[in-house]
Amino acid sequence: GENVEQHPSTLSVQEGDSAVIKCTYSDSASNYFPWYKQELGKRPQLIIDIRSNVGEKKDQRIAVTLNKTAKHFSLHITETQPEDSAVYFCAASGSYQLTFGKGTKLSVIP
Amino acid sequence: GAGVSQSPSNKVTEKGKDVELRCDPISGHTALYWYRQSLGQGLEFLIYFQGNSAPDKSGLPSDRFSAERTGGSVSTLTIQRTQQEDSAVYLCASSSEQNQPQHFGDGTRLSIL
Repeated sequence: GENVEQHPSTLSVQEGDSAVIKCTYSDSASNYFPWYKQELGKRPQLIIDIRSNVGEKKDQRIAVTLNKTAKHFSLHITETQPEDSAVYFCAASGSYQLTFGKGTKLSVIP
Repeated sequence: GAGVSQSPSNKVTEKGKDVELRCDPISGHTALYWYRQSLGQGLEFLIYFQGNSAPDKSGLPSDRFSAERTGGSVSTLTIQRTQQEDSAVYLCASSSEQNQPQHFGDGTRLSIL
């Protein structure tokens, strides 16, 4: 089955700096890669996703890049703000089941 | 509805009791998923429904776990003879169809005493 590794597990950045979270996956058949943000006690919220026929996707301050050859994808957050503080999960899917990474706790220091 | 709705939001029960968790997906979504999130961990896939059928039950941890979906809408996850290791947040998600973005509910926090 699919295996998703996520790094780092914790990340602290100064407000205004950029944050990068990286994930690798094992199954070359995976073709859909979403990122979720989860605040404490809240539901995971889809923030951006990318499919395997695209190398990069941007939405305002967040972007995701995908390298199919290396089987890794990354989340980039620019101009971080305190409200970006949360746990971020990457995931990979080939058909329906999402396989999640273990999460990155991002802290943005004002 | 506007989003995925789950009930109850919290459930505390004694070891050995049965529990039933409910998920009401986004209206019109044909695909429904159950995941489990243990404290400080990622999400673990449990089961997937397409319509009322569950083509993949491989994630259910044991035969004490079962799920059904009726009318292509509401789903229930049942845990029989609960054990302490069943304590977790049980999350439901739905998507318009297979391999489309999944949207999560707030989850049910299950605590087994």
